[in-house]
Amino acid sequence: NAGVTQTPKFRILKIGQSMTLQCAQDMNHNYMYWYRQDPGMGLKLIYYSVGAGITDKGEVPNGYNVSRSTTEDFPLRLELAAPSQTSVYFCASSGRARNTEAFFGQGTRLTVV
Amino acid sequence: GIQVEQSPPDLILQEGANSTLRCNFSDSVNNLQWFHQNPWGQLINLFYIPSGTKQNGRLSATTVATERYSLLYISSSQTTDSGVYFCAVEAYTGNQFYFGTGTSLTVIP
Repeated sequence: NAGVTQTPKFRILKIGQSMTLQCAQDMNHNYMYWYRQDPGMGLKLIYYSVGAGITDKGEVPNGYNVSRSTTEDFPLRLELAAPSQTSVYFCASSGRARNTEAFFGQGTRLTVV
Repeated sequence: GIQVEQSPPDLILQEGANSTLRCNFSDSVNNLQWFHQNPWGQLINLFYIPSGTKQNGRLSATTVATERYSLLYISSSQTTDSGVYFCAVEAYTGNQFYFGTGTSLTVIP
């Protein structure tokens, strides 16, 4: 099993550009999450999904969009990138029900210049 | 949302020493995990422990859900234990998984 796979691992964007961070899991998990981690800080929840077709905002959703058309994939879209979005982004997934262990991807390091 | 506080924020240990990290949370939870973020930024699952006690080698964890805290014990620390330790919880009332601010551990030889 690959677990949770994120692509790309690194990316540099110019201010105003857009991009999509990809996240895929092969564990048939219903729950998926996107977090950002700023330097020296903990992880903040951006968006989450409890199943295909269902998404909801987390603590810091502004400037981002998500979609969940399949169980496996949960892409995160950045529109009009800003320097404040420079961060490391982590995708995670957890089981088919609540109260199950979460697994994280390797992270995507994004720099906006 | 639920508040998650970890202590101490920073810890420096001599190799071979023992330590206890604490995680306090402000509401009832149905999920609690401990993670180790290594110096390369990877998040490694240590324990899934919404209640009770678990052990894995030199590490063990205890969660007392009724008193809203969890402890992570590291015995005979090694330099490879260095990194940041995070506690994360999911409240009963929502689907969101909240992280604490972390404990930064440095083990010196």
